[in-house]
Amino acid sequence: DQQVKQNSPSLSVQEGRISILNCDYTNSMFDYFLWYKKYPAEGPTFLISISSIKDKNEDGRFTVFLNKSAKHLSLHIVPSQPGDSAVYFCAASASNAGNMLTFGGGTRLMVKP
Amino acid sequence: NAGVTQTPKFQVLKTGQSMTLQCAQDMNHNSMYWYRQDPGMGLRLIYYSASEGTTDKGEVPNGYNVSRLNKREFSLRLESAAPSQTSVYFCASSKGFQGSANTGELFFGEGSRLTVL
Repeated sequence: DQQVKQNSPSLSVQEGRISILNCDYTNSMFDYFLWYKKYPAEGPTFLISISSIKDKNEDGRFTVFLNKSAKHLSLHIVPSQPGDSAVYFCAASASNAGNMLTFGGGTRLMVKP
Repeated sequence: NAGVTQTPKFQVLKTGQSMTLQCAQDMNHNSMYWYRQDPGMGLRLIYYSASEGTTDKGEVPNGYNVSRLNKREFSLRLESAAPSQTSVYFCASSKGFQGSANTGELFFGEGSRLTVL
């Protein structure tokens, strides 16, 4: 049973608009969450993270929101750019369980010019 | 600055053949990992080495073995390849252990695409 789920396999957004990528988790012990971005034929690269003591973390155009009660996090990209077209993976870990990362299945974002 | 380097990038094997995927990092990281990526499954951890001299099983270790040769190098071996092992394999490293706040950021190689016929 997947503990981290990205229910939308793909998302298409117009350039300049907001992209919202969603991630749900089931393990209430998760206390650290990350987003990775992956271009074709490349390895994933770290994008942004958030600790469970926060509900928002912002880095430039990227903002991650965490709703612990709903066990839900989202990544907002504003404004979206064609170069943001990639697969985005969310991941989670629990500090009292060895910090092992569990990844979601990924969402492919396509930003149209 | 090379980061994490994996070889080979592509490989085709026949069922039952063996091969080794090589990985090296030049960031003086303590921890290294092997993941596989399959469509819709995200990244699944095969084996990891939290520090030089230690290796442990991850989520999907069956059919694989690893060697942490030194602090820089971590290899993944398929002793008898099966079609179910067709996948894209990623090596990664991190300063602290994966998932640890501030030090657990994973740095990935470019991937090795393996096809088993």
